[in-house]
Amino acid sequence: DTGVSQNPRHKITKRGQNVTFRCDPISEHNRLYWYRQTLGQGPEFLTYFQNEAQLEKSRLLSDRFSAERPKGSFSTLEIQRTEQGDSAMYLCASSPRLGTSPNNEQFFGPGTRLTVL
Amino acid sequence: AQRVTQPEKLLSVFKGAPVELKCNYSYSGSPELFWYVQYSRQRLQLLLRHISRESIKGFTADLNKGETSFHLKKPFAQEEDSAMYYCALSPKGNYGQNFVFGPGTRLSVLP
Repeated sequence: DTGVSQNPRHKITKRGQNVTFRCDPISEHNRLYWYRQTLGQGPEFLTYFQNEAQLEKSRLLSDRFSAERPKGSFSTLEIQRTEQGDSAMYLCASSPRLGTSPNNEQFFGPGTRLTVL
Repeated sequence: AQRVTQPEKLLSVFKGAPVELKCNYSYSGSPELFWYVQYSRQRLQLLLRHISRESIKGFTADLNKGETSFHLKKPFAQEEDSAMYYCALSPKGNYGQNFVFGPGTRLSVLP
């Protein structure tokens, strides 16, 4: 499968615990995005990487959230001291390098569903 | 700040009937508009974008800057069109750093 992959697919944790999710983008894509989606809502932008640089971060993103993409390939999203309100689907998407294909198309992964008890 | 609204949470039509999924946006600059679709148990995927002016699976969408709308239309709905549809906006030239999605409309095509 050459699409975007995310692990784990499901995570159940207790309030206060830390969790980390991983996203592997399509190999030749240098742009990577994280979104959060709650029930009945569309995906909400969290952060964006171009190669290893984190270029944008949503103002809505709590300090408990941190994302990395150390080598410009896979990315991790960590949530510290989880709260019940963090329960959501976390989506990752990637896009090709600018100029290599129609701009702005994002290819989504299957998501990681987080449940905080 | 940009915003996308989709007034219908659920839209039910009979097979063969025309369908129109509404999308309105607010953005002071020049936007790029998209429709994404999510079929049952599948991941979110791009359906079409306004700059391509293409028809995908019989769907079309025209950007109306005067009405700030980007409605998705299909003249004859099929059962396989049943899915969740999201309208999305990106500031032109921002190359996807700050996509804004609408809340989505669930389309149900009845036999």
